[in-house]
Amino acid sequence: GAGVSQTPSNKVTEKGKYVELRCDPISGHTALYWYRQSLGQGPEFLIYFQGTGAADDSGLPNDRFFAVRPEGSVSTLKIQRTERGDSAVYLCASSLEANSEAFFGQGTRLTVV
Amino acid sequence: GDSVTQMEGPVTLSEEAFLTINCTYTATGYPSLFWYVQYPGEGLQLLLKATKADDKGSNKGFEATYRKETTSFHLEKGSVQVSDSAVYFCALSPLSGGYNKLIFGAGTRLAVHP
Repeated sequence: GAGVSQTPSNKVTEKGKYVELRCDPISGHTALYWYRQSLGQGPEFLIYFQGTGAADDSGLPNDRFFAVRPEGSVSTLKIQRTERGDSAVYLCASSLEANSEAFFGQGTRLTVV
Repeated sequence: GDSVTQMEGPVTLSEEAFLTINCTYTATGYPSLFWYVQYPGEGLQLLLKATKADDKGSNKGFEATYRKETTSFHLEKGSVQVSDSAVYFCALSPLSGGYNKLIFGAGTRLAVHP
């Protein structure tokens, strides 16, 4: 498809486990963003990539969260030692350039039990 | 820091009613302002935007005007349809770093009944 693709769509994991969430941006988009949306809230910024590099990771809540984009396309958000408070919908967005319109994926719903 | 406040929902209207969803913001500098919509089972979609004071964004019958003097960006539609039922998010982008880092409000759920 032509849109931003996120996998899996749903992930249930046990407290303390490690998870990886994948984002396939729109082809050719250089900018990629991760957001987290808790129930009843708006999305909150986590990290921004321009190409392969994380240009702004100021929204990552702590060092259990890490994201990579090794080839400047697909990105993976990694969460270590998951906690119940990490349960949320994780959204990925991409844009053609840094200040152009962001297109969002449908998100990955993470549930930590 | 920068923030967005929007009216709490849910907002329940009959078809063809007039819609207003209030949004105010706090920001240093001159942010760009956005309304995003999330239809059931779908991802966030950009509905409209305005990049400077007094700009009016419009799309699909929705409008919002960037009011710097009142730091507001209220969403309006003259006649809503059942298909407009969704969650609406007001957002700003400081663009201070030259990239589109979005700060969202909490969202307002709109339900339109026939």
